[in-house]
Amino acid sequence: EAQVTQNPRYLITVTGKKLTVTCSQNMNHEYMSWYRQDPGLGLRQIYYSMNVEVTDKGDVPEGYKVSRKEKRNFPLILESPSPNQTSLYFCASTRGSEQYFGPGTRLTVT
Amino acid sequence: GQQVMQIPQYQHVQEGEDFTTYCNSSTTLSNIQWYKQRPGGHPVFLIQLVKSGEVKKQKRLTFQFGEAKKNSSLHITATQTTDVGTYFCANSGAGSYQLTFGKGTKLSVIP
Repeated sequence: EAQVTQNPRYLITVTGKKLTVTCSQNMNHEYMSWYRQDPGLGLRQIYYSMNVEVTDKGDVPEGYKVSRKEKRNFPLILESPSPNQTSLYFCASTRGSEQYFGPGTRLTVT
Repeated sequence: GQQVMQIPQYQHVQEGEDFTTYCNSSTTLSNIQWYKQRPGGHPVFLIQLVKSGEVKKQKRLTFQFGEAKKNSSLHITATQTTDVGTYFCANSGAGSYQLTFGKGTKLSVIP
């Protein structure tokens, strides 16, 4: 089954404790991206990757890092999480014009 | 992509009524995409429009791209409870995969 998976689905952490949200797709897509979704603000792109070892900033990259060492994986790294990064995060991979979203990771930073 | 405004922000309809959401831009758009997100779910791609004046239909859903490519609409005929969710428009720049989303229209359907 073609899908995008994310882990963990839910995470509560404390300020400053480094964390990684994993994202994996099994569709051999080259383009992947990360979004955050906040009430009233919609979906905003954090980072995207055109291919292995090629990443670039989206609209709200501050406080986040990404890496793309393999085509299928695109982890999102929060080196020092802060409460304003409490949000719902979605990973997506793209074929042509169609984006396939993962199930989401709900992150709470206290 | 270009910034887009979506209206209305919320819409409550009686089951069986029609529903329309609009997506507007001050500049010409290369394309427009529409997504649906069910409560507690993730966005799901519905369609992409690229041509001026383009109209596409999917069962009870009709998508339009304006002649000037500055606006788009999604119309649902005879809403059902399964239509509940938030509908987003999004666009990317020409030759780009980087999507900019509107803030969405949240549809509630009263049975």
